[in-house]
Amino acid sequence: GAVVSQHPSWVICKSGTSVKIECRSLDFQATTMFWYRQFPKQSLMLMATSNEGSKATYEQGVEKDKFLINHASLTLSTLTVTSAHPEDSSFYICSASGTRRIEKLFFGSGTQLSVL
Amino acid sequence: AQRVTQPEKLLSVFKGAPVELKCNYSYSGSPELFWYVQYSRQRLQLLLRHISRESIKGFTADLNKGETSFHLKKPFAQEEDSAMYYCALSGGGSARQLTFGSGTQLTVLP
Repeated sequence: GAVVSQHPSWVICKSGTSVKIECRSLDFQATTMFWYRQFPKQSLMLMATSNEGSKATYEQGVEKDKFLINHASLTLSTLTVTSAHPEDSSFYICSASGTRRIEKLFFGSGTQLSVL
Repeated sequence: AQRVTQPEKLLSVFKGAPVELKCNYSYSGSPELFWYVQYSRQRLQLLLRHISRESIKGFTADLNKGETSFHLKKPFAQEEDSAMYYCALSGGGSARQLTFGSGTQLTVLP
């Protein structure tokens, strides 16, 4: 099946620094990628949708200047958490799709971000 | 607004016993319902969708519009079924409108 690689798996950073998370589709072209955030024992919350070559669409309440998303190619999307603070500590998951069909949506393994 | 509720955060059953993971949803239109599974140290993956009416790994789920439920069932649980299960709803038919429940951690005891 299709594979989505997410890197890094976990990252610890100091407050005020920026962290970049990569999401790659390894064997298919991902026209659309999604970024989710998950707090402990809570649901995955969609943060934004990115389409290759265009600006990301952010969900209500998600700061676009805080969470920068770039989808420059059909196989790579990045999420940059700028000026991270402890409240940004969370589990971030990406997913990718080459079509609009949900059953063709594949998930990365997630990134645990801890901001000290 | 669409919402998915999984009332049980943790569920333990013995091997060979029936298992039912509950999922209720709220949506004004005609939703598509899904179950995703996440095995230990693995990524989230689609288990089944209500449209397909399929049985995957012995699991089935029936959409009950009257009760707005989409419970996941298996008559005889196996130890390898231990995992985190998420119920999800799509109101618009696209992945962008996928709403997840908070998940149920299933543990099948030997």
